[in-house]
Amino acid sequence: AQSVTQPDIHITVSEGASLELRCNYSYGATPYLFWYVQSPGQGLQLLLKYFSGDTLVQGIKGFEAEFKRSQSSFNLRKPSVHWSDAAEYFCAVGPNTGNQFYFGTGTSLTVIP
Amino acid sequence: DTAVSQTPKYLVTQMGNDKSIKCEQNLGHDTMYWYKQDSKKFLKIMFSYNNKELIINETVPNRFSPKSPDKAHLNLHINSLELGDSAVYFCASSQIRDRGRNTIYFGEGSWLTVV
Repeated sequence: AQSVTQPDIHITVSEGASLELRCNYSYGATPYLFWYVQSPGQGLQLLLKYFSGDTLVQGIKGFEAEFKRSQSSFNLRKPSVHWSDAAEYFCAVGPNTGNQFYFGTGTSLTVIP
Repeated sequence: DTAVSQTPKYLVTQMGNDKSIKCEQNLGHDTMYWYKQDSKKFLKIMFSYNNKELIINETVPNRFSPKSPDKAHLNLHINSLELGDSAVYFCASSQIRDRGRNTIYFGEGSWLTVV
């Protein structure tokens, strides 16, 4: 069965520090992978997506993610975190066929000055 | 222009009332969804329509009824509201292609509080 796991419920980093949010997936076929960000009181905004090709994907707001098939992972990274990055982050896997998307349980990011 | 828009954004209502949340997308997508986000931020799929046909119908109370008058609209009606219905409801849309590579886009959410 398809599933997405985000092992870290909550992460705290200092402003300016680097960030890595973990995502592991279970999917029978070639996965289509996504990261979304939800700022407080807002909807989910697409940060980046991986369909094929280069396994290092660049997104908006200075984020990137790397697809590692051998580890079934799609971790999100940012070299220097800003206070405005404090939000909830969701990893998701999309369908090869059909219309069912699978979301992780989210990682809450706190940024301290 | 907002790609997926839903109204109202905030809704406070009493137990037992009936309420509706409306959703519209201007992306030309053929598939729309309703998700429920609980207090722990967990996203749960409720319904999905493809070209006005119900495709996904997860286990939700019969008090929840989606309606899709056309491909661009998907409304959610909730009867006899209960305290446990308090949550954020997200509308979303995507264009489903046979070869995958589908992306889902979300609305801003509707914050429902039942008192």
